Parts: sequence; structure tokens; C-alpha cells
Amino acid sequence: DTEVTQTPKHLVMGMTNKKSLKCEQHMGHRAMYWYKQKAKKPPELMFVYSYEKLSINESVPSRFSPECPNSSLLNLHLHALQPEDSALYLCASSRVIGLASTDTQYFGPGTRLTVL
Amino acid sequence: QQPVQSPQAVILREGEDAVINCSSSKALYSVHWYRQKHGEAPVFLMILLKGGEQKGHEKISASFNEKKQQSSLYLTASQLSYSGTYFCGILGLYSGGGADGLTFGKGTHLIIQP
Repeated sequence: DTEVTQTPKHLVMGMTNKKSLKCEQHMGHRAMYWYKQKAKKPPELMFVYSYEKLSINESVPSRFSPECPNSSLLNLHLHALQPEDSALYLCASSRVIGLASTDTQYFGPGTRLTVL
Repeated sequence: QQPVQSPQAVILREGEDAVINCSSSKALYSVHWYRQKHGEAPVFLMILLKGGEQKGHEKISASFNEKKQQSSLYLTASQLSYSGTYFCGILGLYSGGGADGLTFGKGTHLIIQP
């Protein structure tokens, strides 16, 4: 089983709302990722968690707040977003991480976020 | 330092072959290839390792040229299901050796016509 699940599939929120995206995997992976993808662009890395600890934050605004409660679950808390934050938010996981890693990153189906 | 993909787009008839290239100015340890269909998540195809090649999916194979810091993805006898956007991804641009995410090229849009 190489499944990464994400909820919700679609989310529409106003600029003053607080919402959360959820990602889950049961493959025993110890690295989890958040990527943001705008239309017709490649995915761009936002955060990396390694053994439930934040290891990379790619200069992401504080209105995005990640959380990794346990090894299977990854959340992305959203607050006071801007319309330009509208995008597909992808979660991924992999077994191990590192420069020479040959482990596959498996992507979830994504949450399509629209900020009004 | 984003990897450079070429071509940007390809239109083929079913049964024709295609080559997609991915090059980097940074030393490569591995290249990860994905295909993404419209509205869907990227799907893993294969990983190319420094010093070797690995076939991972259908009639798709790839190579890794260490001297040129380039990987090429070969699609033979293309099928309609091959349509989508192909991305190559590389590690090592964020942390310099520790935990890392993928940096993707801009993608190659492949259209297969009947």
C-alpha cells in the first residue's frame, strides 16, 4: 500500500478564516512533506518533517503553520490567507530522507484551496 | 538551481517515441521522475541513481549521464495513457545534505493523439 490520503479535497475559505489541511500515511514513513502547486507550475516545497520534527521551512509565511502530531499524520493550519495562496496543496511521504536518498516520495491527491 | 527540462511540450501520435531531458548545474545523486495528469497528484515513475539506471514503469525507461549531469526519460510506443506533464525532481538544493525535499523542473507537457 503506497497511499497518502489528504482531506479535504476542496476548500474554500475567506481571508479571515482559520482552517486546517490533513494528511495521513500508514506506510511507516518517517519523512513527510508539504508542497504547494500553482496552475501550470511544478510543485514547490514548503515544509519537511523528519521523525516528527520540522527540518525544513522554505521561507513560508507564518500564516501557514505545519504540525506533525505523530509519525502518520501531518497537518497544515491556515490563518489569514491571501487570494494568492489559492493553489493545490500536496502532501508527500517517504521512508528516509537525505541527499543520497533513493526512496520514493509518494504524493497524496492534494487539497485544492481557494481563498476569497 | 532548478533543473532544466526540455522540451517544454511534445505532441505525438500513438505509437511514436519521445525523449524528455532533465539537466542540472548541481552535482546529481539521483533524479526522480513523475507524471502528473490534469487535476491529479504527481505519480512516481522511477528513480535514476548516480552510476546506474533503473526501469520502473510500463514502456518507460531512463538514463543518467554523470558527466553531463543529465537524465533522460524515454517513452517508447507511446499510448494515450502517457499523456500528462512529466516532471523531474532532484534532491540537495535545500539543506545541502540533510533532510531534503524535491526541486522540480518546470515540466514537459506531453500530448498523445490517436
